[in-house]
Amino acid sequence: AQSVSQHNHHVILSEAASLELGCNYSYGGTVNLFWYVQYPGQHLQLLLKYFSGDPLVKGIKGFEAEFIKSKFSFNLRKPSVQWSDTAEYFCAVSPSGSARQLTFGSGTQLTVLP
Amino acid sequence: DARVTQTPRHKVTEMGQEVTMRCQPILGHNTVFWYRQTMMQGLELLAYFRNRAPLDDSGMPKDRFSAEMPDATLATLKIQPSEPRDSAVYFCASGFDTGTGEQYFGPGTRLTVT
Repeated sequence: AQSVSQHNHHVILSEAASLELGCNYSYGGTVNLFWYVQYPGQHLQLLLKYFSGDPLVKGIKGFEAEFIKSKFSFNLRKPSVQWSDTAEYFCAVSPSGSARQLTFGSGTQLTVLP
Repeated sequence: DARVTQTPRHKVTEMGQEVTMRCQPILGHNTVFWYRQTMMQGLELLAYFRNRAPLDDSGMPKDRFSAEMPDATLATLKIQPSEPRDSAVYFCASGFDTGTGEQYFGPGTRLTVT
């Protein structure tokens, strides 16, 4: 079975700082990778996804993530965060060719100070 | 703009009462997932369906929880009898079992059992 680790539970940054959230997964086969965001009191929304091709994927709101297969990692980045990026971020993995069951990490709470 | 809908959005009930939560997946999606989110446990997968057939409900307490899809436009999650430890936000998500496999989440049902 696959698993996902998000090592940072809570990250606090000032506006305009750069962001990198770590995500590592454990699975022996080919995977699809996702980052979801959950704004306070809201549901999860898809930020970006990787399934094949260019390992650097760009998502909404200026976010990007890089898939490094050798490190089983899919870290999320943003060059300059805004106060409105305050939210919880979840990394998720799905084995390719499965019934699309996602395994989520425990989430990282990002607080951006104005 | 197709969305997953869930009803009710909020439910407060007394211990021992039956609770039914409903989800309308995005039209055409053939996978449906139920998740529970709590501060302590994070996001847990309770059950999921493909083409209305239950594929895995191992995350669900079988003695009190049940999940069904009476038709392609309705998924239900029932708790009977409810207990205070069931207090959580319950999310429904839908998607396709082909392609990249991302899931689209509903707004959730916030359940409080007193």
